[in-house]
Amino acid sequence: GENVEQHPSTLSVQEGDSAVIKCTYSDSASNYFPWYKQELGKGPQLIIDIRSNVGEKKDQRIAVTLNKTAKHFSLHITETQPEDSAVYFCAASTPGAGSYQLTFGKGTKLSVIP
Amino acid sequence: GAGVSQSPSNKVTEKGKDVELRCDPISGHTALYWYRQSLGQGLEFLIYFQGNSAPDKSGLPSDRFSAERTGGSVSTLTIQRTQQEDSAVYLCASSLVTPLDGNEQFFGPGTRLTVL
Repeated sequence: GENVEQHPSTLSVQEGDSAVIKCTYSDSASNYFPWYKQELGKGPQLIIDIRSNVGEKKDQRIAVTLNKTAKHFSLHITETQPEDSAVYFCAASTPGAGSYQLTFGKGTKLSVIP
Repeated sequence: GAGVSQSPSNKVTEKGKDVELRCDPISGHTALYWYRQSLGQGLEFLIYFQGNSAPDKSGLPSDRFSAERTGGSVSTLTIQRTQQEDSAVYLCASSLVTPLDGNEQFFGPGTRLTVL
């Protein structure tokens, strides 16, 4: 089955700096890669996603890049703000598995220091 | 519109007791997922329902875990004879299912289960 590795597990940045979180996946058939933000005591919330026919996607201060050959994808947050502090999860979905279940990384705790 | 709701938000039980967790998906979403999130860990897939198809139970960790979805809407996850290692946050998600691959999943707030 699919295996997703996520790094780093914790990340501290100064307000205004950029943050980058990286994930690798094992199944070359995976073709959907969402990123979720989880605040304390809440469920994960989708912030951006990318499909395998696209190399990069951007939404305001958030961007995701995908390298299918290397089987890795990254989340980039620019001009970080204190409200960006949360745990971020990457995930991968493999077609043909029947259920579109997501395989998640273990998460990155991002702290933005004012 | 209303998102995915789950109840209870917190559940404390004694080892050996049975528990039922409830999920109300977004109206019109035909796919429903249960995940488990242990402390400091990512989300672990448990079970998937899609319409009237047989559920995908491949993620259930033991036969003490079961789930059902009545009328294609509300789902309950049942854990029998709870053990301390069952303590976790149980998250439910729902999505539309389209011919496209990879469908956005919307998560509920979760139920925090503590087994004493």
